[in-house]
Amino acid sequence: NAGVTQTPKFRVLKTGQSMTLLCAQDMNHEYMYWYRQDPGMGLRLIHYSVGEGTTAKGEVPDGYNVSRLKKQNFLLGLESAAPSQTSVYFCASSPFLRQQYFGPGTRLTVT
Amino acid sequence: DQQVKQNSPSLSVQEGRISILNCDYTNSMFDYFLWYKKYPAEGPTFLISISSIKDKNEDGRFTVFLNKSAKHLSLHIVPSQPGDSAVYFCAAKAGNMLTFGGGTRLMVKP
Repeated sequence: NAGVTQTPKFRVLKTGQSMTLLCAQDMNHEYMYWYRQDPGMGLRLIHYSVGEGTTAKGEVPDGYNVSRLKKQNFLLGLESAAPSQTSVYFCASSPFLRQQYFGPGTRLTVT
Repeated sequence: DQQVKQNSPSLSVQEGRISILNCDYTNSMFDYFLWYKKYPAEGPTFLISISSIKDKNEDGRFTVFLNKSAKHLSLHIVPSQPGDSAVYFCAAKAGNMLTFGGGTRLMVKP
C-alpha cells in the first residue's frame, strides 16, 4: 500500500514549456486535490476532484489544468510555464470531506 | 485576504514543556478544523481534528481547542519531544475545500 505517490519529484522547466504532474493513490479515495506551497503562504488549493471524471477550481486555478480520467489518478498540467509557478506541488486524496492524505511533493522550478 | 492565519512563524520550546500553537480564522462557514504536521521534503501528515460543534478534542499528547466566538483554534502538545520539531499547519473546511494557514515552525530543544 503506497498511499499517495507523485511523479516526478523534481523538475526544472524553461518559461513557456509545458509539463504534466502525475498523482496516483491506491486507497480507493473519491476525492483528490492539487495544492501548491510557497514560503509563508501555507498550502493553496489549485484544483480538486470529487470523483472520477469530475474536476473543480480551487483558490488559485489560473495557469493550470487537471484531469481525472481514472479514479486513482489525478493529473495537473501546466500548458505554458511561468516563473510564478515555481513552487512545491502537493497532491492529496481523501475518502470523505475531512482528513486528507498527502503525497511527498514535486519541487518545480521555472527559469 | 487570508481566511486562516497563523501569526507566529516560529516557536521554540524546551523538551518536556508544553507547546501551544495558535490559529485564527475569519470565515464563519468553516465547520471542521484540522492540524497537520510537516517534516522537510515530506508531505503534510494529519495530526488531529475538531468539529465546529465541539470545543475540545484530545488524542494522546495532542489536544485541540476551538473557541468559536473568538474564531480561534489552538493545538497543545504536552509533553513536547524533540521529534515534534516540524512545521505545523492549521486548516479549516468549508464545502469541498480546505483552507490552510501559513504554518508555524516548532523547534523542541533537548
